[in-house]
Amino acid sequence: DTEVTQTPKHLVMGMTNKKSLKCEQHMGHRAMYWYKQKAKKPPELMFVYSYEKLSINESVPSRFSPECPNSSLLNLHLHALQPEDSALYLCASSQVARGAEQYFGPGTRLTVT
Amino acid sequence: GENVEQHPSTLSVQEGDSAVIKCTYSDSASNYFPWYKQELGKRPQLIIDIRSNVGEKKDQRIAVTLNKTAKHFSLHITETQPEDSAVYFCAALLISGAGSYQLTFGKGTKLSVIP
Repeated sequence: DTEVTQTPKHLVMGMTNKKSLKCEQHMGHRAMYWYKQKAKKPPELMFVYSYEKLSINESVPSRFSPECPNSSLLNLHLHALQPEDSALYLCASSQVARGAEQYFGPGTRLTVT
Repeated sequence: GENVEQHPSTLSVQEGDSAVIKCTYSDSASNYFPWYKQELGKRPQLIIDIRSNVGEKKDQRIAVTLNKTAKHFSLHITETQPEDSAVYFCAALLISGAGSYQLTFGKGTKLSVIP
């Protein structure tokens, strides 16, 4: 299985809502990533988990809260988002090694109203 | 941190012609350089990669070259087909201070192959 899955595919939420994005992989990868991608822009790294521990937080606002409950799952909890947070949220995974390929999930298209 | 520059931002070629996309990186410690293809509304897909101990790699119509001294790498697509039309991103991998591996992407090249 060489696939990263993400749910939901689409999400519309109001600025007062709380929602969660989910990511799952069964490739035995011990590094997992959250990226944010705006239209016509490259993916922008948000968080990196290595061996289920948060190792990189790219100065992301606290309204985004990541969680890695086990080595296969990665969540992103959303609360009090702003319209400018609307974007494609991509999850990725890789081995923890030099030159390890990152595999991307299909993304969640988030719209904040 | 790493900085990756990518050129051109848009590229139009006739079907059958070749396309070349170029990237430069800033940190000589970067050691892995993947290329991703992203079609509209879809995930980035890894199409080819090269590691710093190799100068060139080829996979059918796609090739990548790396010049470590000059800190630049290029993607070459030969005999282009309409289905090659997409946005292509180069990236460079660097180990962070926290011991994790971090990809930095170029801004992307929108390739259009005209039938």
